[in-house]
Amino acid sequence: DVKVTQSSRYLVKRTGEKVFLECVQDMDHENMFWYRQDPGLGLRLIYFSYDVKMKEKGDIPEGYSVSREKKERFSLILESASTNQTSMYLCASSLSGTPMYGYTFGSGTRLTVV
Amino acid sequence: EDKVVQSPLSLVVHEGDTVTLNCSYEVTNFRSLLWYKQEKKAPTFLFMLTSSGIEKKSGRLSSILDKKELFSILNITATQTGDSAVYLCAAPAGSQFYFGTGTSLTVIP
Repeated sequence: DVKVTQSSRYLVKRTGEKVFLECVQDMDHENMFWYRQDPGLGLRLIYFSYDVKMKEKGDIPEGYSVSREKKERFSLILESASTNQTSMYLCASSLSGTPMYGYTFGSGTRLTVV
Repeated sequence: EDKVVQSPLSLVVHEGDTVTLNCSYEVTNFRSLLWYKQEKKAPTFLFMLTSSGIEKKSGRLSSILDKKELFSILNITATQTGDSAVYLCAAPAGSQFYFGTGTSLTVIP
């Protein structure tokens, strides 16, 4: 069964900490995405990557960075966590080109910054 | 600006009711519209719609697309408590999807 795996379901971090959220997919997908999901705001795209070592800013990249050293792994980094980054983070992947047929999502990481 | 708008934001119904969820879109070079169901974790795929007027059906759920008026609806008949979830619609634009804010459906026994 193909899947997207996020390393943590729940995470609690302190303000100012550097936080790494890991996402691994086993479908040989070219495209990978990081979203955050907040009540009333829906899913908002943070960063995406369409190839190894390539990255593109999404709608809300401020305060985040990403790393894609291998095709199967896409990491989201919070350089200095802040309370307004408390959210549900969803990773997704898709085949190259236009993702007409949809994403495969990970199970999500619920991050709380205290 | 590409966007997807869903309504209502939330809905509370009783078991057995029929509900209609709405999704309107403005997307450059429209290709498809997708519906997802999200319970406590990852969104799971429900339907993909590409052609106007052709209903997609899966059990008590059905969906249809109107490419002229730029909207889609998701119908759920004879609702059950297990239908309680956030329903998301999304449309691809470029290399990413635009998501609506979702409709939160609560089905009361």
